[in-house]
Amino acid sequence: GAVVSQHPSRVICKSGTSVKIECRSLDFQATTMFWYRQFPKQSLMLMATSNEGSKATYEQGVEKDKFLINHASLTLSTLTVTSAHPEDSSFYICSARDFFAEQYFGPGTRLTVT
Amino acid sequence: GENVEQHPSTLSVQEGDSAVIKCTYSDSASNYFPWYKQELGKGPQLIIDIRSNVGEKKDQRIAVTLNKTAKHFSLHITETQPEDSAVYFCAASLSSGDKLTFGTGTRLAVRP
Repeated sequence: GAVVSQHPSRVICKSGTSVKIECRSLDFQATTMFWYRQFPKQSLMLMATSNEGSKATYEQGVEKDKFLINHASLTLSTLTVTSAHPEDSSFYICSARDFFAEQYFGPGTRLTVT
Repeated sequence: GENVEQHPSTLSVQEGDSAVIKCTYSDSASNYFPWYKQELGKGPQLIIDIRSNVGEKKDQRIAVTLNKTAKHFSLHITETQPEDSAVYFCAASLSSGDKLTFGTGTRLAVRP
């Protein structure tokens, strides 16, 4: 089956620094990837839709200047959390859509901002 | 936009019993309804899905029913096992490749 990976699986950074999270489709091409955020014991909330070669579409209330998304190739999308603060600590999950419009989720990245 | 409600928030059953989780959605344009199992510290795993042109779908011990008129769908797990213990999320979208709106989740505990 289709596999989506995320790197790193967990990261700790200091307040005020930036951190980049990668989402890769390993065995298929993904023109569209989605980024979700999940706080402890809560549901997944869509942050943005990432389309290869174009600007991401952000959901209402998500700061596009704080959460930078780049989808430079058909197998890679990155999410950069800029000037991270403790309230950005969360579980970030990506999903990728294949040619047949099926969606596959990555394993998630645990971000802790100290 | 779409809004998905999920009940119950927690469910405890004896091993071998059945578990039922229910969801309602608000957008009549939604046509795709997947269910995900999420274990601690991991991404969601698709366990079954149903599209609007089908009323029921079954895969071994797992089944999903959909009532488009009432805008609700349910997950049924029969003969539950301890390894079924996890958090289950329902979701809705226009199609399988579109952005998903998730329910609030159900924490299922199966007692040995």
